[in-house]
Amino acid sequence: SAVISQKPSRDICQRGTSLTIQCQVDSQVTMMFWYRQQPGQSLTLIATANQGSEATYESGFVIDKFPISRPNLTFSTLTVSNMSPEDSSIYLCSAVGGPNTKSSYNEQFFGPGTRLTVL
Amino acid sequence: ELKVEQNPLFLSMQEGKNYTIYCNYSTTSDRLYWYRQDPGKSLESLFVLLSNGAVKQEGRLMASLDTKARLSTLHITAAVHDLSATYFCAVGTIYKYIFGTGTRLKVLA
Repeated sequence: SAVISQKPSRDICQRGTSLTIQCQVDSQVTMMFWYRQQPGQSLTLIATANQGSEATYESGFVIDKFPISRPNLTFSTLTVSNMSPEDSSIYLCSAVGGPNTKSSYNEQFFGPGTRLTVL
Repeated sequence: ELKVEQNPLFLSMQEGKNYTIYCNYSTTSDRLYWYRQDPGKSLESLFVLLSNGAVKQEGRLMASLDTKARLSTLHITAAVHDLSATYFCAVGTIYKYIFGTGTRLKVLA
């Protein structure tokens, strides 16, 4: 079955800087998503990463703050820009579908997450 | 706006006991997902429920879906310590999940 990896797994950053998180799937997938999970909380969808076009953002999330790229069917990046302590969270990448995925088209499967701390 | 609520939020139970976690959602959906998250880990898919009346079982966990009541249950039978984790339900289409609040389960030896 397909596997998602994320880099970095964790980082500690200074206020005002930016961090780019990479998400790599080991086979082609149909859709990729980015979520935020604040400590002890549920998951909130940030955006859907569209291959070859601009991401689709959920309410409360904007491209200037969270630019997303998806250059091909196996890779996506999320940048957290001009960070503040409120951005401290776990950021998770997920994906749907593709011929080699265990879940096929029935469910999303998730990467291990990136734990971000902003000082 | 679709809202998904779980209860209880926290559950501490003795090994060997049975309990049920509830997932209520506010608008019509014919798909519901259950995930498990261990501390510091990602989400592991447990069940995908695709129709009204769907029931799935894996080991000590059984999930069911009542779309008319907008309710899913995750039943734990004879709990063991290894089941300690946070359990999330998620509702929506395959392309957009709305996650529930999560239930943090601790099974005491």
